Amino acid sequence: DQQVKQNSPSLSVQEGRISILNCDYTNSMFDYFLWYKKYPAEGPTFLISISSIKDKNEDGRFTVFLNKSAKHLSLHIVPSQPGDSAVYFCAAIGTGYSTLTFGKGTMLLVSP
Amino acid sequence: DSGVTQTPKHLITATGQRVTLRCSPRSGDLSVYWYQQSLDQGLQFLIQYYNGEERAKGNILERFSAQQFPDLHSELNLSSLELGDSALYFCASSVTSGSHTGELFFGEGSRLTVL
Repeated sequence: DQQVKQNSPSLSVQEGRISILNCDYTNSMFDYFLWYKKYPAEGPTFLISISSIKDKNEDGRFTVFLNKSAKHLSLHIVPSQPGDSAVYFCAAIGTGYSTLTFGKGTMLLVSP
Repeated sequence: DSGVTQTPKHLITATGQRVTLRCSPRSGDLSVYWYQQSLDQGLQFLIQYYNGEERAKGNILERFSAQQFPDLHSELNLSSLELGDSALYFCASSVTSGSHTGELFFGEGSRLTVL
């Protein structure tokens, strides 16, 4: 039972445009959400996070939006760059949990 | 470089065999997590240790076991291997026992191929 779902396995975007990666969750106990980025032959690295008390968190070109009522979050990358091409994992955790639950990932390809 | 070291990077073995994957966490991190990434699957949590003690268990098979040693390095033992065990195994570490500070630091993974 997937508690964190990334329904798009892949996304292609042109350089300079916006990339929007989506994530849905089912567990209402989740209250903290993270995005990780993974390049081939490397481990995932932390990108950005958001607490459930917020609906938006911004860090440079990366913004995460959280819609609690819809149990949905999205990662916006503006402008997209070829170096952003990677697999992006959405992850969630809740009070009382000690481990992250990850989605299956979305492979982003940014073409020049 | 995340500071988390995993060995070996690649491992090829046969069904029925046993292998051990090793992880050295970042300096100062007390928690070690093991995740499995199979084809078309996300990162599946296996098990967590904190300062030598098992803290949480996920979808870890009975054929698999892990431990964390006094020097905080961890080993994941996989036995009676099956073809379906072929996957990338990631180790991650964090300072605390939980992840609410936001970050897990991942190693580069150990790719296991079972033939």
